[in-house]
Formats: sequence, structure tokens, C-alpha cells
Amino acid sequence: QKEVEQDPGPLSVPEGAIVSLNCTYSNSAFQYFMWYRQYSRKGPELLMYTYSSGNKEDGRFTAQVDKSSKYISLFIRDSQPSDSATYLCAMSAGAAGNKLTFGGGTRVLVKP
Amino acid sequence: DGGITQSPKYLFRKEGQNVTLSCEQNLNHDAMYWYRQDPGQGLRLIYYSQIVNDFQKGDIAEGYSVSREKKESFPLTVTSAQKNPTAFYLCASSLGRGGTDTQYFGPGTRLTVL
Repeated sequence: QKEVEQDPGPLSVPEGAIVSLNCTYSNSAFQYFMWYRQYSRKGPELLMYTYSSGNKEDGRFTAQVDKSSKYISLFIRDSQPSDSATYLCAMSAGAAGNKLTFGGGTRVLVKP
Repeated sequence: DGGITQSPKYLFRKEGQNVTLSCEQNLNHDAMYWYRQDPGQGLRLIYYSQIVNDFQKGDIAEGYSVSREKKESFPLTVTSAQKNPTAFYLCASSLGRGGTDTQYFGPGTRLTVL
């Protein structure tokens, strides 16, 4: 079993819909949670960064962390075709070396 | 502009050859990382370095080697011992301060074995 599980999709939504993405994990030591967006054949770019449990909002993006359930989510409101990409969750225990463990990524397609 | 550069963008290797992938950053970051990305498997850590002249193996280091002679540079060599080297290789860097650190990625190098 992988340490971080993420549905590969693809997830297809109409423009303007809410995109809901999630990851589950097994390592209770993870404290730092990130979401990256990756366009095809490009490097990932950091979208959201959350420490421990709770919600964080940044524009159209909301990240949620539920450490008791070992479950994190990313919501994208008012989705645009430019949001079409692969979304990767990543997490870290915060130890020396800051090793990140990634989910496999969810491919999202926003149709005009 | 500050950032991370990787070269080449595409690389083709014949069986039995060693190839070196370049990664340079001008962000003044202490820590640098190499990841491999295969379809549907996310990113897997190959090697990382927290300081010049020091580096650590990641989860899939076999068949790879690195050096860190300068703060700005962290080249990755894919040796002939790597059984399945065809993949997308990503370099990242971070301040190297532990818990609140965030990693920033380069544009990647796509390696294909012919």
C-alpha cells in the first residue's frame, strides 16, 4: 500500500463548477501538506501549503486538512479551462532533509 | 529572474551509456533535490543535498549518482546500472530550513532510452 493515495482521474467538470480533489495518507507523522499543480510536460508549481489540521483559503483555492482522518482536500471554485492540469498532493513530517512524499496526481479537465 | 533551470529539455540515451542531467538554481537555496516521475506514480526522490559537498540517498538511488560541488549546481548522472531510466526527471530546491520549507521545481528533463 502506498503511503499517500490519490485518485488518478481524469476528473472532468464543466467550466464554473467546483473541483474537489483529495488524498489519503497512512503516516501519522506528516504535519506539512502541500498541493502542486503540474501542466503537461512542465515542472510542478506550488499552489497551497498548510500546516497541521484546518482550512486555508487563497483566492479560488481552499485547502483542508483533517489529521484525525488522515485526509486532505483541495477545492477549486469557479473552475476555468486554464485549471486543466494534474494536481499533486505532497506531505512531509518536517524532519531534517524535508523529504516530501507525493501522491500519484489527479488529472483534471475543465471543459468550456 | 530567479529560478531553477534544467538542461537539456529532452535527452536520448543508448543502452549502456551514462548521461548527466544539469540543474542550476540562483535562488540562494541550500537544499536541492532530484525526483523521478513516471506516469501515475507521482514523484519519487532519488537524491537530495542539504549543503555543499554533502548529499543523501532518497528512495530510489540505485543506478544514479550526484555531486554538489557548488551551492548553485546539483547534477544527476544516470548510469548504465539504472535498469529502466526512461522517465521525466525533476530538480527542486528549497531554503533547507526544515518543517516550514517549501520546494520549488525546475521545468524537468525527459530522458528516453533508445
